[in-house]
Amino acid sequence: DGGITQSPKYLFRKEGQNVTLSCEQNLNHDAMYWYRQDPGQGLRLIYYSQIVNDFQKGDIAEGYSVSREKKESFPLTVTSAQKNPTAFYLCASSIGSGIGAPEAFFGQGTRLTVV
Amino acid sequence: DQQVKQNSPSLSVQEGRISILNCDYTNSMFDYFLWYKKYPAEGPTFLISISSIKDKNEDGRFTVFLNKSAKHLSLHIVPSQPGDSAVYFCAASDRQGAQKLVFGQGTRLTINP
Repeated sequence: DGGITQSPKYLFRKEGQNVTLSCEQNLNHDAMYWYRQDPGQGLRLIYYSQIVNDFQKGDIAEGYSVSREKKESFPLTVTSAQKNPTAFYLCASSIGSGIGAPEAFFGQGTRLTVV
Repeated sequence: DQQVKQNSPSLSVQEGRISILNCDYTNSMFDYFLWYKKYPAEGPTFLISISSIKDKNEDGRFTVFLNKSAKHLSLHIVPSQPGDSAVYFCAASDRQGAQKLVFGQGTRLTINP
């Protein structure tokens, strides 16, 4: 059963602590993405990776870090430098660059709350 | 600068009638457009897409229209059903670039019985 798995679904963090959100896919997709959704707003791109061991900043990368050591995995770390980390985080994957259609498939999301 | 805009935050439609959701974009490099449907606390699910070489794509009750000269696309749902109530996001991609999707703010569609 192919898909994208995000864990955990709900996460609470104390202010000043780093936290890592997990994202795993078994779709054999080259590209992976992290988006953030805030109430009343669209999805904003945090980081993306088109290939293993390579990633680029999106529109709101400050206070976040990522790694792409394996094709299947793209974890996101929310650092203490992120000023407003409480949000709904979505991971996605797609086939990647080329002439194929760029539909991205999303995980179920992780709701992070800073307490 | 918002490259993809959905100017209607919400839309209410009677069951059985047509729902029309609109989206505008500013980046002329975008060559592929998608619509996603999202329920609360879930990830978006892909609905329908259109390449810039077409002006219409149809899939069952869903049709997407693209007007490149106006940089405008729309999603038509007919007939609308209660299960269609959700937030709909428009997204655009430059396939010659990184293929990352740029999303609009979303439109909350409510289908009334």
